Amino acid sequence: DTGVSQDPRHKITKRGQNVTFRCDPISEHNRLYWYRQTLGQGPEFLTYFQNEAQLEKSRLLSDRFSAERPKGSFSTLEIQRTEQGDSAMYLCASAKSGADNSPLHFGNGTRLTVT
Amino acid sequence: GDSVTQMEGPVTLSEEAFLTINCTYTATGYPSLFWYVQYPGEGLQLLLKATKADDKGSNKGFEATYRKETTSFHLEKGSVQVSDSAVYFCALSGGSGNTGKLIFGQGTTLQVKP
Repeated sequence: DTGVSQDPRHKITKRGQNVTFRCDPISEHNRLYWYRQTLGQGPEFLTYFQNEAQLEKSRLLSDRFSAERPKGSFSTLEIQRTEQGDSAMYLCASAKSGADNSPLHFGNGTRLTVT
Repeated sequence: GDSVTQMEGPVTLSEEAFLTINCTYTATGYPSLFWYVQYPGEGLQLLLKATKADDKGSNKGFEATYRKETTSFHLEKGSVQVSDSAVYFCALSGGSGNTGKLIFGQGTTLQVKP
């Protein structure tokens, strides 16, 4: 168990630029989640994949945001035309599906700063 | 929709003091309840969980009991240490739908002074 890995750890970009983040989940986990966390707040759910299928998207996920998990393993989150309000920590988590509500394992996150 | 409410922080305690962090929830169905902890500079880690009413989750001296009648899952520890200083998040999953996604409270910062 090498844990959930996210890359990069930090990203500074100028407003209007596109950014892409990567998440590598724990290898046997088929569920993958993206969250956003701003200072002083709890993580907010963005989207959920089971294997390669994106099964749920939050209303927080505007049309500038897109997430993929093409082969059911790693996932990418892209933000187009970044805005200052997109500055946040983006967290990825993974879990096994099952009846016991397997707990989510989180990565250390990617901190995005939009200047 | 489902939601979690935690007590406002920061909570500042002296070492060896008793800790309670209140958490209440609103959910349809029968959620599982969790406490996650975020130490400075680190990612979220699962602290403990309870999957049904009256279950008690425990880990590292922390405990929380799933109280369906009061829709609560308060976190307690009998004697805190400086190393417990962190942000604590209460969360639920499985209230409505079964995607396993977590809904978090806003977090409570705990500062323990020597």
